[in-house]
Amino acid sequence: DAGITQSPRHKVTETGTPVTLRCHQTENHRYMYWYRQDPGHGLRLIHYSYGVKDTDKGEVSDGYSVSRSKTEDFLLTLESATSSQTSVYFCAISPLGTVNEQFFGPGTRLTVL
Amino acid sequence: LAKTTQPISMDSYEGQEVNITCSHNNIATNDYITWYQQFPSQGPRFIIQGYKTKVTNEVASLFIPADRKSSTLSLPRVSLSDTAVYYCLVGDQTGANNLFFGTGTRLTVIP
Repeated sequence: DAGITQSPRHKVTETGTPVTLRCHQTENHRYMYWYRQDPGHGLRLIHYSYGVKDTDKGEVSDGYSVSRSKTEDFLLTLESATSSQTSVYFCAISPLGTVNEQFFGPGTRLTVL
Repeated sequence: LAKTTQPISMDSYEGQEVNITCSHNNIATNDYITWYQQFPSQGPRFIIQGYKTKVTNEVASLFIPADRKSSTLSLPRVSLSDTAVYYCLVGDQTGANNLFFGTGTRLTVIP
C-alpha cells in the first residue's frame, strides 16, 4: 500500500455544481497526479504537481483546476461539473526523478447528472 | 509524445506463459519502458521497468531488443488472478505529462 487515499470514493452531483476531490499521501513524494479513466480511452492525465504550489496541465485539463498547498494534499476541482466529466478519477504519486513509476490511489467514481 | 501499440485483448489458459508485445517505434534515447497492471475497480499497479535487454522481478520479465522499438512482457505460469488490463508506457524519468497509458491489453486467464 503506497499510502494514498482519495475522498470521497463515490459522489453523485448535478450539472453546474462545483466538485472538489481530494488526494492525500503519507509518503512525502514530490510528484502527484490526477487522471481520469473512461471506457475506450484508458487513463488520461488531467493535471500534475511537482511540488507545493507547482502544477502543470496534462492532456485533458479543460474544465479542471488543481491546488497543492501542502506536500501531502492535491485537490482537483471541477469548476462547473458537466455530464462529460462523469468518470473514475485516480490520483497517483511518484518520487522525484522516477515519474514512470507511479503509485495509484483507489479511485473516486464521480457521476454528474 | 511517444505512444505505444498493444493488442486489445488476449486469452490464455491457467499455467501457461503469456507474452504481451508492445510496439513503440518512436521511442527516444532517454525513454524507459514501463508496464502496469490494473484489476477491475482498482488503480493501476507498477509491474516492471527496463531500458534495454532483459529485466526480471518476482512478478514478470521484460524483454527489450537492441533497437528498443518493441518490448515483451512475459508472465510465467499465469493464474486466474492475473486476469487484468496491462499497460505499456514509454517515457523518460522526468516528463510527467509525456506518459501515455492508452487502453492497454485485456488479458483473460481461462481455467
